[in-house]
Amino acid sequence: QSALTQPASVSGSPGQSITLSCTGTSSDVGSYNLVSWYQQHPGKAPKLMIYEVSERPSGVSNRFSGSKSGNTASLTISGLQAEDEADYFCCSYAGNSNLVFGGGTKLTVL
Amino acid sequence: QLQLQESGPGLVKSSETLSLTCTVSGGSISSSSYYWAWIRQPPGKGLEWIGIIYYSGSTYYNPSLKSRVTMSVDTSTNQFSLRLSSVTAADTAVYYCARQAYSSSWYLRPHFDPWGQGTLLTVSS
Repeated sequence: QSALTQPASVSGSPGQSITLSCTGTSSDVGSYNLVSWYQQHPGKAPKLMIYEVSERPSGVSNRFSGSKSGNTASLTISGLQAEDEADYFCCSYAGNSNLVFGGGTKLTVL
Repeated sequence: QLQLQESGPGLVKSSETLSLTCTVSGGSISSSSYYWAWIRQPPGKGLEWIGIIYYSGSTYYNPSLKSRVTMSVDTSTNQFSLRLSSVTAADTAVYYCARQAYSSSWYLRPHFDPWGQGTLLTVSS
């Protein structure tokens, strides 16, 4: 099972909206509404930001939202803030009792 | 508030077996609502799901690691463990334990929350 594909880096200015993509296949992202997103600051453990494509855990800012179209899931961050600068990873159910992560996207706030 | 803490040797020799333990505090590992997961991250790279264990002892492993992975759970001490055999330099990584949401259906839910702080395990030759 191959890792999901994420752009290596994305950048945006404060206040802007940006969208991070996570591309899989019809065997994982495309087949299940079971995609989650994690934020990871340097030297820290990942933090759950979105689960089941678009559900937001309590305590996560509503500036974070998720969606999916076909084999690609997306994480949108609106009103970009300096504290959003981090690595972001997606994860999907891949069938056959297996889970697969993306390679991660480094978000830079200019 | 549930907390997880990994513990392990920090350094393992190539071809040997890696052993890590995750201690759960602030909640019971015997909850029927959760699996307990191991995830790793090689330095500077992405995350890799290793597998999960339920309090009953049932397990699911990443097919790419299945032949080398064994997980166990001890409900009396609120701990679960990972053993990875025949390690190589490619197994050098930060190893995280995490709580994974349970599914009574045929699929697994990629819902990990919370996570431990992680422990770096280096494989030396």
